[in-house]
Amino acid sequence: GQSLEQPSEVTAVEGAIVQINCTYQTSGFYGLSWYQQHDGGAPTFLSYNALDGLEETGRFSSFLSRSDSYGYLLLQELQMKDSASYFCAVDDSGAGSYQLTFGKGTKLSVIP
Amino acid sequence: DAGITQSPRHKVTETGTPVTLRCHQTENHRYMYWYRQDPGHGLRLIHYSYGVKDTDKGEVSDGYSVSRSKTEDFLLTLESATSSQTSVYFCAISARTGGAAQETQYFGPGTRLLVL
Repeated sequence: GQSLEQPSEVTAVEGAIVQINCTYQTSGFYGLSWYQQHDGGAPTFLSYNALDGLEETGRFSSFLSRSDSYGYLLLQELQMKDSASYFCAVDDSGAGSYQLTFGKGTKLSVIP
Repeated sequence: DAGITQSPRHKVTETGTPVTLRCHQTENHRYMYWYRQDPGHGLRLIHYSYGVKDTDKGEVSDGYSVSRSKTEDFLLTLESATSSQTSVYFCAISARTGGAAQETQYFGPGTRLLVL
């Protein structure tokens, strides 16, 4: 089976940096994704890491270590609008089957 | 915006009644998914489809059925709704194309279902 672990809640100050960790155990692994979801909204894609290392997209960066089954999402220069839930998801697509398994999400609260 | 709509957006129904939720996409994606989202559980896959009339079960498929008679429409049916099926239901599509390494999914706006 698949399992992903991420903290349930994180609080950080506006302008600061926050890191949301994700560890996973899966039978198949092709990559690690991150999705953002604001209250009442739909999840939206943020990033995808297939290889080890850091991927940067503006204020957001995502890191993957395949050997440690670990990744994180780094948010810099936090803004109030970053208050949302963040989900890591493992791409465990088998042959011809495209699927993601999601973690339970981390609720980020950005405070002034 | 991947052109995904869901209907209805909100529904209240009674235990034991059948309910059908519709997902419609405009961009001819092959893969479509139904998830449910509950507090403390994240997103859990109910069923998915990899083509017209081709569907398979996900993690939490009991009590649900699906159909896909056209590429653009993916229907989720609760044959006899129960209170445990009160949830937010999201439809999604895979933007991955053959050979592409990255699995990216785009979600519809969701349907809030309350079963009394």
